[in-house]
Amino acid sequence: EAQVTQNPRYLITVTGKKLTVTCSQNMNHEYMSWYRQDPGLGLRQIYYSMNVEVTDKGDVPEGYKVSRKEKRNFPLILESPSPNQTSLYFCATLGDLNEQFFGPGTRLTVL
Amino acid sequence: AQSVSQHNHHVILSEAASLELGCNYSYGGTVNLFWYVQYPGQHLQLLLKYFSGDPLVKGIKGFEAEFIKSKFSFNLRKPSVQWSDTAEYFCAVNVNTGNQFYFGTGTSLTVIP
Repeated sequence: EAQVTQNPRYLITVTGKKLTVTCSQNMNHEYMSWYRQDPGLGLRQIYYSMNVEVTDKGDVPEGYKVSRKEKRNFPLILESPSPNQTSLYFCATLGDLNEQFFGPGTRLTVL
Repeated sequence: AQSVSQHNHHVILSEAASLELGCNYSYGGTVNLFWYVQYPGQHLQLLLKYFSGDPLVKGIKGFEAEFIKSKFSFNLRKPSVQWSDTAEYFCAVNVNTGNQFYFGTGTSLTVIP
């Protein structure tokens, strides 16, 4: 089954404690992306990657890092999380017809 | 950065009522347009998309949208909503010259049985 998986699905952490949210896809898509979803703000793109070793900033990259060492994985790294990064995070890939496929989401709470 | 506006933040309808959700974008060049739906507790799913050609596009579950270039709009419609259409709806734009996607703030639709 074609899918995008994210782990963990739920995470509660404290300010300053580094964390990584993993994203993996089995569709062999080159493009992957991370979004955060906040009430009243919709989805905002954090980073995207056109292919392995190629990443670019989206609209809200501050406080986040990403890496793309292999096609199937695109982890999101928060080196020093802060409460304003409490949000719902979605990973997505892009198919050949420019359609995005979203993962199930990761709900992050930073205390 | 481009912007996508969804003017209806919350919509409440009775079953069988007609639906129209507005979406306007700011980019003046060539765009790809999308509507996504997010059912409670789920991830986003594509409803329909427009790249070129017939400005009236049909999607899944009886939804359709019309691209009006002169108005920079891509409004979503459904003639008769069902309780199962209760969800949040997002309009999104991808500018052809770039690789970024811009989403609207979403419209929460509640359909009352």
